[in-house]
Formats: sequence, C-alpha cells, structure tokens
Amino acid sequence: GIQVEQSPPDLILQEGANSTLRCNFSDSVNNLQWFHQNPWGQLINLFYIPSGTKQNGRLSATTVATERYSLLYISSSQTTDSGVYFCAVEEEGGSEKLVFGKGTKLTVNP
Amino acid sequence: EAQVTQNPRYLITVTGKKLTVTCSQNMNHEYMSWYRQDPGLGLRQIYYSMNVEVTDKGDVPEGYKVSRKEKRNFPLILESPSPNQTSLYFCASSLDRGYSPLHFGNGTRLTVT
Repeated sequence: GIQVEQSPPDLILQEGANSTLRCNFSDSVNNLQWFHQNPWGQLINLFYIPSGTKQNGRLSATTVATERYSLLYISSSQTTDSGVYFCAVEEEGGSEKLVFGKGTKLTVNP
Repeated sequence: EAQVTQNPRYLITVTGKKLTVTCSQNMNHEYMSWYRQDPGLGLRQIYYSMNVEVTDKGDVPEGYKVSRKEKRNFPLILESPSPNQTSLYFCASSLDRGYSPLHFGNGTRLTVT
C-alpha cells in the first residue's frame, strides 16, 4: 500500500515565526488532505488539496502530485497553532481509504 | 451548525460488557467512517460506509461492528470489549468518498479494564 512520510516529526517555534511541514507519498494519489489535531484532541480539516495551491488565512498548502509531495506553510505562528498536523492520502485506483502519516508535532512558544 | 456528533466523549467499561458509541452527522454526507488513534500507531480505519446499508472493513475491523440504517447515523458497536480496544475513537464523514473534505467528530476516549 501507499506510504506517507511527514517531516519533521517535531518542531518548536517562537510565536511569530514561519514554518513549512512536508508530506511525501509513495504513489499517485487522487485525494490529499491536511488536518490539525489540537491539544484537546480535536481533528480539524485544514485543506483538501490533491493538487495545486490553496490559502486560508495564515495557512497555505501546495501539492505537487507529479513529484509526490505536499507542503503546509504556517506564517506568523501563534500559540493556538500548536498540536499535531497530519497529512492523509488516498492512492489513485487503490484501496478506497485515506492513509494517514504519523504527523508533525508543532509547539509554538509565547 | 454543520457537525459530526459523537457520544459519549469518555467511557470506562469492563471487559465483555457490550457498548455502543453513537455517531451522527447533519450534513447529508454519504460517506462515514470510524478510526481509532493509538500512540505510535497513528490513525487507523476500522470500518467505513459509502451509503445507507453499505459498509466495508477498514484496516482493523476485528472486534467491532457497525450499521448504517439511516444516512445520518453510523454507530460503532463493541460486542465484547477487551483491554486492547482501549483507544481514542473518531467518527468522520464526507460528502462523498474521495473528492471532498473529511470532517471528524470530537472523539470518544474509551478505557476497557
């Protein structure tokens, strides 16, 4: 099955800093989503982005499907951005399910 | 408000005592799914449903049952819970299977003693 690798596994920032999270996947995908799990455990959908670029406030994401990676950019980070960021993909012509990466744990210090 | 509602949020039970975790969505979504999240293992799919009366096994279906009798509801049933089913459970839904965002409920933390 498809493999999903996220990097870095851990990231510590000062408030106001920018960051880039990466998601690599091993095969062609027809579905890629980014999620944020906050410290209370809630999973929030950030982007549905199988290709191209999207922006939502301080967050943006880019997926380069031909090169099998996606990037999540966080600008001017805030303490509320802390948590774990997951990338999830569905393999093209594959198993009809989202496969999740292990996540990047982000800590934003005041 | 559009949402996926799971109940209960926390549940402590004993081995072998049947339990049901309810899940309901008010977005008229066709696709619903259950996941469990465990440290070091990440999020793994238990069961999913493409539409009413259609359910399929995910990666870790053993020990679980589901039903989809109505579009909005997708309960998770543990007929005889065991300690290895202690986990954080999430229900999720999307408009269709692969081409729309997946929305999660707030989670149910289950402890089986």
